[in-house]
Amino acid sequence: GEDVEQSLFLSVREGDSSVINCTYTDSSSTYLYWYKQEPGAGLQLLTYIFSNMDMKQDQRLTVLLNKKDKHLSLRIADTQTGDSAIYFCAERDTGGFKTIFGAGTRLFVKA
Amino acid sequence: NAGVTQTPKFQVLKTGQSMTLQCAQDMNHEYMSWYRQDPGMGLRLIHYSVGAGITDQGEVPNGYNVSRSTTEDFPLRLLSAAPSQTSVYFCASTDSHNTEAFFGQGTRLTVV
Repeated sequence: GEDVEQSLFLSVREGDSSVINCTYTDSSSTYLYWYKQEPGAGLQLLTYIFSNMDMKQDQRLTVLLNKKDKHLSLRIADTQTGDSAIYFCAERDTGGFKTIFGAGTRLFVKA
Repeated sequence: NAGVTQTPKFQVLKTGQSMTLQCAQDMNHEYMSWYRQDPGMGLRLIHYSVGAGITDQGEVPNGYNVSRSTTEDFPLRLLSAAPSQTSVYFCASTDSHNTEAFFGQGTRLTVV
């Protein structure tokens, strides 16, 4: 079945870059997402990438997709304490409704 | 623009009690869904709806019922609460292009 895997924790120093990795299994995935969840809040969409793209950049965020290896990463440049949150990777196939989420990576930013 | 509104934010139930978690969206989205979030397990889909009058089961539907009588509302009913249903519940609605999901703030449910 479909599965999305992420490491559970990442710790970085303020000002460094953070790289959060994700692997997925569904080769028919069309949309791949990164969501951010701050404490006590719902999930907010950070960015998404269509599966025919290799890279997408949006200000401090860079998403890289290796479709052959089914590997997705999120790089946050100049990480700030406000970036401390849980980051979820998710996939959805074309025409499907179900979105499969990873367990989430908890990012700790040390001042 | 309120987006997706869930009530209540917190709830404690005794085993065997029933209750309804409310979800409303004001974006005229066709798709709505309910997820539960448990530590180390991400979000798991409980039930979803692709339009008024149409619902279907997700990954973990047992113990939950839903209905979709209007586009705006998608309540989740716990028929007989069990401690295994202690979790944080999120409602989401999705735009017609089926790209971005908008989430509510969550309902933290404890069953004792």
